[in-house]
Amino acid sequence: GDSVTQMEGPVTLSEEAFLTINCTYTATGYPSLFWYVQYPGEGLQLLLKATKADDKGSNKGFEATYRKETTSFHLEKGSVQVSDSAVYFCALSKTNAGKSTFGDGTTLTVKP
Amino acid sequence: EAGVTQSPTHLIKTRGQQATLRCSPISGHTSVYWYQQALGLGLQFLLWYDEGEERNRGNFPPRFSGRQFPNYSSELNVNALELEDSALYLCASSAGTARAYEQYFGPGTRLTVT
Repeated sequence: GDSVTQMEGPVTLSEEAFLTINCTYTATGYPSLFWYVQYPGEGLQLLLKATKADDKGSNKGFEATYRKETTSFHLEKGSVQVSDSAVYFCALSKTNAGKSTFGDGTTLTVKP
Repeated sequence: EAGVTQSPTHLIKTRGQQATLRCSPISGHTSVYWYQQALGLGLQFLLWYDEGEERNRGNFPPRFSGRQFPNYSSELNVNALELEDSALYLCASSAGTARAYEQYFGPGTRLTVT
């Protein structure tokens, strides 16, 4: 079946550091790929998405590129802020299944 | 535009009781999805409803059930509650089956079973 593997956390960075959270996937067909963010005590917020190979999703300074050849969708940000502290989930989804498959989540803590 | 809303925010039940969780999708969205986020188990897909019908179901026992109403809101029912049902239950919606890959989530209902 489909699966998503995220780099293990937690990740702790200093403010203005560069962020990379690795995500690889296994899926049949042509899934869409997503990054969600979850702040403490809240639900998931869609951060960015890519629906086909070589697409780059971007939002709020975060970027991720859909790499079919390496089955990856790594999340990057050039300069993190304390307010970016949250749990980040990589996910894939296929229209015919209706369900999203999530990675285990990576907890990011940014220190001033 | 209002997002996905869920009620109640918190729910405390006793083992063996029934729990009912509610979800209102984004206006114009016809598909609703339910997920369970249990500690240590990640996000697990529960159910998918579209146009009032169940379209897909995750690997959960039959005591997890739900329905979708004509206004596209949805209800998740959990019967014969067990301690391990304690979790955050997230509802998501999408603009129909054609956009089932793009789901927007609500804030969740925290269910605690004692």
